[in-house]
Amino acid sequence: AQSVTQLGSHVSVSEGALVLLRCNYSSSVPPYLFWYVQYPNQGLQLLLKYTSAATLVKGINGFEAEFKKSETSFHLTKPSAHMSDAAEYFCAVRKNSGGSNYKLTFGKGTLLTVNP
Amino acid sequence: EPEVTQTPSHQVTQMGQEVILRCVPISNHLYFYWYRQILGQKVEFLVSFYNNEISEKSEIFDDQFSVERPDGSNFTLKIRSTKLEDSAMYFCASSLNPGQITYEQYFGPGTRLTVT
Repeated sequence: AQSVTQLGSHVSVSEGALVLLRCNYSSSVPPYLFWYVQYPNQGLQLLLKYTSAATLVKGINGFEAEFKKSETSFHLTKPSAHMSDAAEYFCAVRKNSGGSNYKLTFGKGTLLTVNP
Repeated sequence: EPEVTQTPSHQVTQMGQEVILRCVPISNHLYFYWYRQILGQKVEFLVSFYNNEISEKSEIFDDQFSVERPDGSNFTLKIRSTKLEDSAMYFCASSLNPGQITYEQYFGPGTRLTVT
């Protein structure tokens, strides 16, 4: 079975500071990994994804994440936080094998607040 | 930009009643999904649907639940005899073809179901 753990349900940073949101995964096979963002009263929007290509993945809005197999991690970073980054962030995993097992398994989410 | 839409945004129902949550996936997508998020908990997979049949379902998706694609555009989740613990945010998602390496699930804004 696959799972993800997001460390820290709430992260608070100052505007302009580094954003680091942590995600560790558990999977018996190499996974595909995703970060989604949810702004208030909106759906889940894909920020970036890892699909076995480059281990450093760049996404929208200046976010990036690095797949580290040795650490089973896929942490999300952004060099400089902006007020508009305040949202809830979800890490998710799915199998990269064939078949019908395309469901996403999500972490509990991390609420990011950005202070002026 | 095409998007997944869901109606209603908020549904209040009494325990024991039946509810139907509606979703309009992106028009050329082939796979459809329902997820739910109970307040304070993880987003959980419920069911995936392809070619007019369920392709995968979770343990949560028991006989109380059913899905249907009644026409070429809508995708519905029916919950029979609702219970208090069915109160959650329900997300619909769709994807073009999960087997492609550029696979992505697009999420709707969610329907908040409150069972009283």
